[in-house]
Amino acid sequence: GAVVSQHPSWVICKSGTSVKIECRSLDFQATTMFWYRQFPKQSLMLMATSNEGSKATYEQGVEKDKFLINHASLTLSTLTVTSAHPEDSSFYICSAEGQGAEQYFGPGTRLTVT
Amino acid sequence: GENVEQHPSTLSVQEGDSAVIKCTYSDSASNYFPWYKQELGKRPQLIIDIRSNVGEKKDQRIAVTLNKTAKHFSLHITETQPEDSAVYFCAARFNNAGNMLTFGGGTRLMVKP
Repeated sequence: GAVVSQHPSWVICKSGTSVKIECRSLDFQATTMFWYRQFPKQSLMLMATSNEGSKATYEQGVEKDKFLINHASLTLSTLTVTSAHPEDSSFYICSAEGQGAEQYFGPGTRLTVT
Repeated sequence: GENVEQHPSTLSVQEGDSAVIKCTYSDSASNYFPWYKQELGKRPQLIIDIRSNVGEKKDQRIAVTLNKTAKHFSLHITETQPEDSAVYFCAARFNNAGNMLTFGGGTRLMVKP
């Protein structure tokens, strides 16, 4: 149980284009999902908290107009990186919150912007 | 703001030895402390967690201890095996931050056969 999927697992896009990443909880419902960014050999940095049916809460320094989050159902949250630039290249990981407030992570999406 | 410090950043042990990773947190009202294991290129996996109403929890070779007074918690791995090699992250949930987790900087554990 508590499986979280993420799609795509990797994506290469050109500078200026937008990329959408999906995070799904496969066998449980998640009112809350989280989006993290992880740089090589570094820890997980929380970008935003995604709540089903309401606006996401962004961490300080994260541009909400650049990283659009939509949590339209209890099993799906999406992160759209708009007008991507090379500095947005990173590993993006989502997590979904279980009943006991544990977080279960997706496999991550490696974004490369050329 | 909320802060979680993790030490050491790297740890090398011989197979069969024990490994201990320590974390300290800043908010005394924190109530949930999970530990994650992340292998190279893979997702973080929850391996054990502890809530503030207990001082110790054990699951086979893995144990976590919590000292609320000192605001620190530790991960103990006994009889280490090469497959334990990974990066381990501690985290804490701060009461005034919803259900967000703040992560430590990670510990790269290497178990030499």
